[in-house]
Amino acid sequence: DAGITQSPRHKVTETGTPVTLRCHQTENHRYMYWYRQDPGHGLRLIHYSYGVKDTDKGEVSDGYSVSRSKTEDFLLTLESATSSQTSVYFCAISKGQGYDQPQHFGDGTRLSIL
Amino acid sequence: SQQGEEDPQALSIQEGENATMNCSYKTSINNLQWYRQNSGRGLVHLILIRSNEREKHSGRLRVTLDTSKKSSSLLITASRAADTASYFCATVLTQGGSEKLVFGKGTKLTVNP
Repeated sequence: DAGITQSPRHKVTETGTPVTLRCHQTENHRYMYWYRQDPGHGLRLIHYSYGVKDTDKGEVSDGYSVSRSKTEDFLLTLESATSSQTSVYFCAISKGQGYDQPQHFGDGTRLSIL
Repeated sequence: SQQGEEDPQALSIQEGENATMNCSYKTSINNLQWYRQNSGRGLVHLILIRSNEREKHSGRLRVTLDTSKKSSSLLITASRAADTASYFCATVLTQGGSEKLVFGKGTKLTVNP
């Protein structure tokens, strides 16, 4: 398995609180991605990173910010969590973009916002 | 709208039978990928098939691609209970000058022992 660790694995928090999810990789891959997975919607891209301090928005980026200060860490922040952000969040990595390379996924963070 | 959509949404078979899942997509592609997701786990990459390939094998998996019909199929032969999982196809969608890998909603496969 690719060395991807997501933390925390589970979190319950209240509406309006800030939340930060962490993705840590040991593969030294350049590209990192944050997805959310919801019933009826499948997997949707939130943000991605193509290098240290280089990030771009995905399909559902509103309400989320990201940071990548080191190759191995990609953080996803919900500045003020809302109930609509209750979801399972997956981090993925790949050697390259152009999507000729497969993506490798972490095991997810289950986030509940009450 | 989804770039890739799997069919059927759910499939239940007996151990030892073959399972076939289909994926249809809307725009031309360079490649198509299949992933598996076990319950409570992340997606695992299975196979990438390029647009100039018609068929690809990996163990008990066989993937076909028909670009004229914009469709792909994933065949799992001699299924096992451990194959119980959701299976997703993924294709690249170009929007606003950037590319994104877009996943379908998946086929949930149950293999009964």
